[in-house]
Amino acid sequence: QVQLVESGGGLVKPGGSLRLSCAASGLTFSDYYMSWIRQAPGKGLEWISYISGSSDRIYYADSVKGRFTISRDNAENSLYLQMNSLSAEDTAVYYCALADFWSGYHDAFNIWGQGTMVTVSS
Amino acid sequence: QSALTQPASVSGSPGQSITISCPGSSSDVGSSNLVSWYQQHPGKAPKLIIYEVTKRPPGVSNRFSGSKSGSTASLTISGLQAEDEADYYCCAYAGTRTYVFGTGTKVTVL
Repeated sequence: QVQLVESGGGLVKPGGSLRLSCAASGLTFSDYYMSWIRQAPGKGLEWISYISGSSDRIYYADSVKGRFTISRDNAENSLYLQMNSLSAEDTAVYYCALADFWSGYHDAFNIWGQGTMVTVSS
Repeated sequence: QSALTQPASVSGSPGQSITISCPGSSSDVGSSNLVSWYQQHPGKAPKLIIYEVTKRPPGVSNRFSGSKSGSTASLTISGLQAEDEADYYCCAYAGTRTYVFGTGTKVTVL
């Protein structure tokens, strides 16, 4: 079955950087567009970035534009999120997720990872 | 894109029906049928329970149903059960592969 596993979270100081990874298995990774979605402690979900299967289309939420960079390595079945200039407002659980449109889930995230926690604090 | 404003909490007794609203705009909820709903239990990843306004993934109870009128989407849980106690989020496609989530609703089973 399809599985997504995030890693790379941790404690980082304000202004610092962190790179998250999401390892995918059980699918032909390049066939799927991927997203990062985050959830601050006690808060709601926030979509932050999208990348197409071939990386030719990339989009960001205004809250992270210019600071975060999404990328993928289809040969490694991996998705990444490079996060720079971090602030306390970026403290959250970060999920990678996909919408399996081949199975009819158009723009609905039916597969989620377990999430990785990022804490920005001095 | 601002979050869609859901009621913070909704409660009901076992067996009752409850409805959670997700009001949006013509740019998101009202722009297409690409509205989905997610259930999240504490400490767990969200789970898709409704997609394309009304469709249920395999394995999701038919007690969950979705609808939309204009720019407001709704999730109804009928025959409320203790296991339905969770947070629920709507999500709408906002164009050009961007998405907006609702603020979330905590469902309490009395």
